[in-house]
Formats: sequence, structure tokens, C-alpha cells
Amino acid sequence: DTGVSQDPRHKITKRGQNVTFRCDPISEHNRLYWYRQTLGQGPEFLTYFQNEAQLEKSRLLSDRFSAERPKGSFSTLEIQRTEQGDSAMYLCASSFLSEGLGNEQFFGPGTRLTVL
Amino acid sequence: GQSLEQPSEVTAVEGAIVQINCTYQTSGFYGLSWYQQHDGGAPTFLSYNGLDGLEETGRFSSFLSRSDSYGYLLLQELQMKDSASYFCAVREPHDMRFGAGTRLTVKP
Repeated sequence: DTGVSQDPRHKITKRGQNVTFRCDPISEHNRLYWYRQTLGQGPEFLTYFQNEAQLEKSRLLSDRFSAERPKGSFSTLEIQRTEQGDSAMYLCASSFLSEGLGNEQFFGPGTRLTVL
Repeated sequence: GQSLEQPSEVTAVEGAIVQINCTYQTSGFYGLSWYQQHDGGAPTFLSYNGLDGLEETGRFSSFLSRSDSYGYLLLQELQMKDSASYFCAVREPHDMRFGAGTRLTVKP
């Protein structure tokens, strides 16, 4: 399978705990995105990387959220001191930056986080 | 302000044609994309419009008018498997912003 993969697929945690999610993008893609999606809503942009550089982070994103892409390949998203409002599906997507294309993003299956 | 507006629900019958509209307000605009998402699945890319006009991909077409900040997705010869949520998304300089989605139900 050469698509975007995410691990774990499901995570249940208690309020106040830290969680970390991993995303492995399509290997030749240089852009990697993190989104959050709640029921009945579209994906909400969190942050994105071009290679290993984090180029943008949503201003709505709490300081409890941090993402890394240390070698320009896989990425991790960490949420510290989780809150019940963090419960959502966390989606990762990757794309290959090209001016001539629509920046088509390929999404992974997501990590569903439940904070009790 | 920045917003995307699309209808929340649309219902149609098999074989019919459906148009899902999207209007947007944005401070910086590169293009409009459309994604499909089945229940429990991940969004999948359908089309992209960077310039005004119509883009056709099989049964799906997408249109953009930048002067009107408006676009639409046209689905022809509807099939049951087209029942899903459809999101318009604005490509901005530093992110991709999605609408809340239109839930399409195709009935026999």
C-alpha cells in the first residue's frame, strides 16, 4: 500500500494525558498537512510542512498542540494535557507541490481521538 | 471575513443531475477544490479550479467564477455510490480551508 498511513487508528485517553499520533505520507510527497475533523464538519486546517519545515500553523491552534517532521518524511502530532474538546478525527494528508497542479491532497484514514 | 457556504443537504434520484454550490470569502485565493467523503472514510480529491471556467472529469464537473467568488460541483448520471459528503475547499497561500460539507443522498 503506497497511500498515506496513520497510527494509531483509534486512541482513547483520559483528560490531562498527552497523546502522539504518527503520519507516514506518500514517499515522494514534499508537503504534509494535519487537519482535525468533527462530526458534520469539514476538515479544519491545523498545520502543514514543506519537507521538514513547518510553514504554517493555524492561529486557532492551542499551544498544547505541536507537530514535527524531523527528516521530511513521517510526521508526529502531539497533544499535551488533552481536553474533552480535543475529541475528533485527526487527518493527515500529503501532496506534491507543483505550481501547475491543484495541490491535490491525499488523505490518510485518520486517527480517532476520544478524551474521557 | 473568511467563510465558505454550501448547502448542508441535497437529495436526488439515480440517474439525475445534481449541482452543489459553494460561495466563499477569503483574503487570498489560489483556487477551489472539491473533495468527496463517504461515511467513515477519508476525503478524496475530485477536482480543482484555479482559473475561471469548467473542468470536466468523467461524470463530475466543477466550475469557478472568481469575480463572483462562486463555484459549483456538477454530478451527472447519479449512482447510489455517489451518496456521500462533498466539500468545497479554498486553497489559500498558507492553508486549505474546507466548507462544512453537503451531504448528498441518492435514492433509487
